[in-house]
Amino acid sequence: QVQLQESGPGLVKPSETLSLTCTVSGGSISSYYWSWIRQPAGKGLEWIGRIYTSGSTNYNPSLKSRVTMSVDTSKNQFSLKLSSVTAADTAVYYCARDHDGDLGPWGQGTLVTVSS
Amino acid sequence: AIQMTQSPSSLSASVGDRVTITCRASQGIRNDLGWYQQKPGKAPKLLIYAASSLQSGVPSRFSGSGSGTDFTLTISSLQPEDFATYYCLQDYNLITFGGGTKVEIK
Repeated sequence: QVQLQESGPGLVKPSETLSLTCTVSGGSISSYYWSWIRQPAGKGLEWIGRIYTSGSTNYNPSLKSRVTMSVDTSKNQFSLKLSSVTAADTAVYYCARDHDGDLGPWGQGTLVTVSS
Repeated sequence: AIQMTQSPSSLSASVGDRVTITCRASQGIRNDLGWYQQKPGKAPKLLIYAASSLQSGVPSRFSGSGSGTDFTLTISSLQPEDFATYYCLQDYNLITFGGGTKVEIK
C-alpha cells in the first residue's frame, strides 16, 4: 500500500526558508494531487496547499506569498518550501495524498521548530 | 475563503453514548465535506467523504449527513477507541478544516 514519509530539517532559523520533502513509496506519484498540512502543538489542522504531478498548484491564500511546492516524479517525491519563517510556523508538518479533496494516506508528520 | 465552524469544541461522553458533532460552512459547499479522526501523536484518518460516504474499513457506527452549509458526524455507540479529536474538511473551494472537536471520557 502507498506510504508517505516526510523529511527535512527539524530546526529552522527565523527569516529563513523551511524545506521539506515527502517521499511516496508503494505506488506511483503520478495522476494524483498531493497536499501539505500543518498542525501547531495543541492546535488544529491547517491546509498549506497541494500540487498535481503536472506541477499545477493550489495554495492556502493566507500562506500563498511564502509557499512554493514542486514535484519530482522520477524520485516519487514532492516538496514544500516556506519562506521568511517565524515562530508561528513551528508545527508538525504532514504530507498526504489528495484524491479530490479526500486526504489519505498521510505521512507520520515531522516537527519543524523555528528558533534561533 | 470558506470558513468551517465546528461545534462543540469539546465534549465528554461515556462508552455507549450517541455522539453528534456539527460543522457549518460559511457558504454552500454541496456535499464536498469529509470527517477525520485524529488520535494523539498520530496523523488524521479519513472516516467519511462526500458528507455521508463511509470510508472503507471504518466501523458502521460512524455516519455523516448534511448538504449545503450544515453537516453532522454521528457516532451511534461510542467505543473506547473513539476517544479522539474529530475534524471536518471542506474541499468545495480549496481546502479548509474545521476547528476540531475533542471527544473525552466522562
